[in-house]
Amino acid sequence: EPEVTQTPSHQVTQMGQEVILRCVPISNHLYFYWYRQILGQKVEFLVSFYNNEISEKSEIFDDQFSVERPDGSNFTLKIRSTKLEDSAMYFCASSRQGRGNQPQHFGDGTRLSIL
Amino acid sequence: TQLLEQSPQFLSIQEGENLTVYCNSSSVFSSLQWYRQEPGEGPVLLVTVVTGGEVKKLKRLTFQFGDARKDSSLHITAAQPGDTGLYLCAGASRGAQKLVFGQGTRLTINP
Repeated sequence: EPEVTQTPSHQVTQMGQEVILRCVPISNHLYFYWYRQILGQKVEFLVSFYNNEISEKSEIFDDQFSVERPDGSNFTLKIRSTKLEDSAMYFCASSRQGRGNQPQHFGDGTRLSIL
Repeated sequence: TQLLEQSPQFLSIQEGENLTVYCNSSSVFSSLQWYRQEPGEGPVLLVTVVTGGEVKKLKRLTFQFGDARKDSSLHITAAQPGDTGLYLCAGASRGAQKLVFGQGTRLTINP
């Protein structure tokens, strides 16, 4: 069964450094998402992306964050200057359509640790 | 701000017992999705409910969407140790793509 894959599984970065998290969505899906989960807290929406544009974003997704689909398969999340509070699990998801009743399929996440 | 509250947050029962997990909100959702998450993995979709009053069954799991589309429940019959895990509900609003997640119910089934 097709799945969303994320790399790396664990990223350790010094505070203030840039980090790029990578995702390969399911191949026939058109909508892509990033969520994060701080340890012990709820999964939180960051951003959705369709047709090479951000279609929706949360208050968390400030100027330090950006997303890109650099080629036909990868979807990336960049954090420009990491802070301690960016430490979390970051999940990529994709769906065939963008309507809310369409299932979103999640990758296994990247654990980001900021030192 | 839309919120989804799950209860209970923790549940530990014996194998063979029945249980119900609740997911409640004061907001209306166009759909609710239930996920199961294992340690170190991403959420895995179990079911999506979209119609008020809808009931869906997945083997021993029964999912119901409330008539007003503000709440949902997950009922497990004759729970087995393999059902142990974190169960998440997530709601989507009309016209929005994002999912709003509950905090999860950590279920432990003891043999």
